Amino acid sequence: KAGVTQTPRYLIKTRGQQVTLSCSPISGHRSVSWYQQTPGQGLQFLFEYFSETQRNKGNFPGRFSGRQFSNSRSEMNVSTLELGDSALYLCASRSDQGQTNEKLFFGSGTQLSVL
Amino acid sequence: AQKITQTQPGMFVQEKEAVTLDCTYDTSDPSYGLFWYKQPSSGEMIFLIYQGSYDQQNATEGRYSLNFQKARKSANLVISASQLGDSAMYFCAMRDSFYNQGGKLIFGQGTELSVKP
Repeated sequence: KAGVTQTPRYLIKTRGQQVTLSCSPISGHRSVSWYQQTPGQGLQFLFEYFSETQRNKGNFPGRFSGRQFSNSRSEMNVSTLELGDSALYLCASRSDQGQTNEKLFFGSGTQLSVL
Repeated sequence: AQKITQTQPGMFVQEKEAVTLDCTYDTSDPSYGLFWYKQPSSGEMIFLIYQGSYDQQNATEGRYSLNFQKARKSANLVISASQLGDSAMYFCAMRDSFYNQGGKLIFGQGTELSVKP
């Protein structure tokens, strides 16, 4: 079974631009979550999608948005990029069978650099 | 507010020895779950072990065990017989409520483990 796939692996953008990151979850997994990882703030939850609906949202500005497609693939978008958006963006999927011990399976992330 | 604290930014251990990585948590909810993840330099987060707040036994997964002390709100990870491949960042994380069955985990700042040959 293929793992969580994130594309692209690396991305360089300039301030003011926008960017779209992609995540393909493990086959059969319906829930996709996004996290931002920086040296200063650590790992922070961005949002979660389930059945094409945003189910949970972290404390990030509206410039950060996402969506999920009918095949459970997800994209996140960051508009008007700022230098502070430079980070590793991790996507995670889970089967969402209603079990409290369900683990998240993570991808290798997209390393975004904003110049 | 829920919080995870890992007080050891970095640790060294000799190959084949055991090592304990500390994790304390704070939550007012009686129902929660605790996770440990490993992040090698490749970036991917790898699940290691899970402990539920109502689990009577400490969790074990191969060379990994979790020393769960509920009264102290601590969930330390013990790695036995360390291997060179164990060198990585280790994160403690909490799902803050059984009612939050979603994908939101609260992570600690991590501990960088280096295994010496």
